[in-house]
Amino acid sequence: GAGVSQSPSNKVTEKGKDVELRCDPISGHTALYWYRQSLGQGLEFLIYFQGNSAPDKSGLPSDRFSAERTGGSVSTLTIQRTQQEDSAVYLCASSLSGGRTGELFFGEGSRLTVL
Amino acid sequence: SQKIEQNSEALNIQEGKTATLTCNYTNYSPAYLQWYRQDPGRGPVFLLLIRENEKEKRKERLKVTFDTTLKQSLFHITASQPADSATYLCALPWGGATNKLIFGTGTLLAVQP
Repeated sequence: GAGVSQSPSNKVTEKGKDVELRCDPISGHTALYWYRQSLGQGLEFLIYFQGNSAPDKSGLPSDRFSAERTGGSVSTLTIQRTQQEDSAVYLCASSLSGGRTGELFFGEGSRLTVL
Repeated sequence: SQKIEQNSEALNIQEGKTATLTCNYTNYSPAYLQWYRQDPGRGPVFLLLIRENEKEKRKERLKVTFDTTLKQSLFHITASQPADSATYLCALPWGGATNKLIFGTGTLLAVQP
């Protein structure tokens, strides 16, 4: 596709379950970002991948959160043992080479609801 | 740590007027700053990037200024239209030369017909 694709668009899960959120960036984009947006709030940085470099995980809120990027393309954000406070929209963005030289292209987000 | 402040209160203006949104930051001198638009239920969409050596940048009805002394960026929409109603976010790189971007909380703009 032409844009950043995220799946699922909506996910409802029970507290304690694990969830996986997927992001398919724009082809050729070397930078990939995950953000979290709670209701009425701004974007909270989670993790940043740049090419083959080690990811910047400094925004991950706890060790229940992890992310990987396979083959420099698709990324999966995994939340283990979900808690109600994990409920939010998880946004993925990609960029040709990072924010310095241009824009971030965002997907439509995955809305997670933890009951 | 880096802190970005945007007006948390909604900005209500009349159609045809100029909207001015503010982004203030602390503790850092970013090499550039970006502005995004976000509509409800959608991901943010990039609008403009301004670098530290640029005082002003324009794109159609949009104008962004960047005052590195005041640590402030102003975002202007001239001849505003109801279709401009959205949340506007500013974003800065987080520390040094990194490309990692952090975002402000955004300001909701409502343009009344």
